[in-house]
Amino acid sequence: GEDVEQSLFLSVREGDSSVINCTYTDSSSTYLYWYKQEPGAGLQLLTYIFSNMDMKQDQRLTVLLNKKDKHLSLRIADTQTGDSAIYFCAESLYQGGKLIFGQGTELSVKP
Amino acid sequence: KAGVTQTPRYLIKTRGQQVTLSCSPISGHRSVSWYQQTPGQGLQFLFEYFSETQRNKGNFPGRFSGRQFSNSRSEMNVSTLELGDSALYLCASRLGDQAIEAFFGQGTRLTVV
Repeated sequence: GEDVEQSLFLSVREGDSSVINCTYTDSSSTYLYWYKQEPGAGLQLLTYIFSNMDMKQDQRLTVLLNKKDKHLSLRIADTQTGDSAIYFCAESLYQGGKLIFGQGTELSVKP
Repeated sequence: KAGVTQTPRYLIKTRGQQVTLSCSPISGHRSVSWYQQTPGQGLQFLFEYFSETQRNKGNFPGRFSGRQFSNSRSEMNVSTLELGDSALYLCASRLGDQAIEAFFGQGTRLTVV
């Protein structure tokens, strides 16, 4: 079945790295996504990774995918207070269509 | 280039009423999906439209319906509103039905009293 799990909270100090983890159940997933949601706002697409890739780097963001364990992580380097938000992991069975979201991880960055 | 536009941003309705929400996708995008976000259930897929056809539907009652117009704008309708329908309704826009990236609007905050 389709299910995506994330831890609910993460607190880090400004300048540290943040690692947000996600597990998914559907091995048919083709794309896995990370979205960011700030208070009162919609979802901002941060990055995505194709299921046959292990890693993708985009500036301060690094996505790691362990397909065997169905584990996805998002690393944010040099975390800033502006990175405080809720981060959602999502999977889709085909390109970008129906997205299955995790519960979201609330990242709190302390100065 | 304008992003995804959802109107209205906020809405208060009474139980039993119906409501229509609107979504204008990014110019040139032809696929629109709708999601419901609540504290208890999180983000749940409602439906997806492409070229005026519903391509996929989530597990919601028939009170939730949608449509897409020839200019790709989409509307969703909820009839016989219940308190539990209070949520943030988000619309996502994609270039086509095979596009990888989905871009979300700011959402419509519906409160049912």
